Amino acid sequence: SAVISQKPSRDICQRGTSLTIQCQVDSQVTMMFWYRQQPGQSLTLIATANQGSEATYESGFVIDKFPISRPNLTFSTLTVSNMSPEDSSIYLCSVESGNYGYTFGSGTRLTVV
Amino acid sequence: AQRVTQPEKLLSVFKGAPVELKCNYSYSGSPELFWYVQYSRQRLQLLLRHISRESIKGFTADLNKGETSFHLKKPFAQEEDSAMYYCALSTGGYNKLIFGAGTRLAVHP
Repeated sequence: SAVISQKPSRDICQRGTSLTIQCQVDSQVTMMFWYRQQPGQSLTLIATANQGSEATYESGFVIDKFPISRPNLTFSTLTVSNMSPEDSSIYLCSVESGNYGYTFGSGTRLTVV
Repeated sequence: AQRVTQPEKLLSVFKGAPVELKCNYSYSGSPELFWYVQYSRQRLQLLLRHISRESIKGFTADLNKGETSFHLKKPFAQEEDSAMYYCALSTGGYNKLIFGAGTRLAVHP
C-alpha cells in the first residue's frame, strides 16, 4: 500500500494565524483526500484534491478557509487559515490505495489558543 | 444522501467473549464497505473491506444488502483488540470515504 508522510505531527498556534500541513506519498496517486477529526468525533471530509485542477470542497468547507495545493501526483498541502479555537482538530490526508483500501497519514494535531 | 450509522459509542466485553460491532448504511447504489481500526497512538488503518472477504485478526464482516448492514464480528475477543473502530462507505472509484461515528471497543481481562 501507499505510504504517506504527514507533517507537522502537532502544533499549537495563535488564533488569527495560519498553518500549512503537508502530505507526501511514496507513489503517484490521482486523488488525495483531506479529513478533519474534531475532538471526540469521527472523520469528516474537507475536500478532494486532484492534481491539475481545483480542489472539490464538501458542504461547510470553503477554499478561503482551507486552501489546498496539489502541485504534483505525490504531494499536497492543506492550509488552515485565520485560525480560531474551533479549528482545533486532527487533520488527516488520505489516498486510495488499490487493494489496500484507503491509506491515511498519521495526522496533524492542531491546537489553537 | 449516503450515511453510515454505528449505534454504539462504546462496547465493553470480557476477554474471550464474542464481539459484534454494528454498522448500517444508506446508499441506493452498490457500496464499498470498509472497517478501519485505530489503536492507541497509531494511525488509522484498514481492518477489512467487503470485496476481499478476508478474515483479519479473527474479524469478519458480511455485507447484507437487504438489511443494509456490515456488522463486524469476532468470536473470541482479545485484550489487544481494544481500539476505536470505524465503519466507512465509498460509492466506488476514487470517491471519498464516509465514516460512521465510531465504536470504542474495550476488552477487559
